[in-house]
Amino acid sequence: ILNVEQSPQSLHVQEGDSTNFTCSFPSSNFYALHWYRWETAKSPEALFVMTLNGDEKKKGRISATLNTKEGYSYLYIKGSQPEDSATYLCAFGQGYSTLTFGKGTMLLVSP
Amino acid sequence: NAGVTQTPKFQVLKTGQSMTLQCAQDMNHNSMYWYRQDPGMGLRLIYYSASEGTTDKGEVPNGYNVSRLNKREFSLRLESAAPSQTSVYFCASSKTGGPSYEQYFGPGTRLTVT
Repeated sequence: ILNVEQSPQSLHVQEGDSTNFTCSFPSSNFYALHWYRWETAKSPEALFVMTLNGDEKKKGRISATLNTKEGYSYLYIKGSQPEDSATYLCAFGQGYSTLTFGKGTMLLVSP
Repeated sequence: NAGVTQTPKFQVLKTGQSMTLQCAQDMNHNSMYWYRQDPGMGLRLIYYSASEGTTDKGEVPNGYNVSRLNKREFSLRLESAAPSQTSVYFCASSKTGGPSYEQYFGPGTRLTVT
């Protein structure tokens, strides 16, 4: 069973704060790294899929970076808004196989 | 497009009862997945189907069976439900197997086994 660690477990910030989370994964036989956003009472939705070392992806105020050699990815949210409140999941694909999900970082943004 | 649909949304079973969770996707995806989500745990893969006609075990397959009925539909069966199977079940699909493509998730089925 692969070990995909996310930190912190939870985070509470004020509206307008910028924040970032970490996803750590095994550095061997890397294939892909996914980020998903999961709002309460909804289902996870994909934010990014990254496959190359050094990849940087951006969607609005949210961006992600990838370092496959050291086995980590960062997700950044600039100027957090209450609607950003959600659990953010990362998922790691090792070899041409299925994804292993982390436990997620729960973000709460207060107005 | 409805995306990925699941039925039922909620279900309560008694220990030993059986039931089938239904999942369908209308995105012409080749691969489909069943996950369970428990408090304090990440999404854990139960079974998956990389393409029509194939199914494979995931991380936690015990107590479950699956059927890939056709390209659209992938069902999960609990033959003899146990309280340990109380969970939220998500079906997902992706364009192909392997981790290159994002997965699209259904709304989930909340199952309680008493």
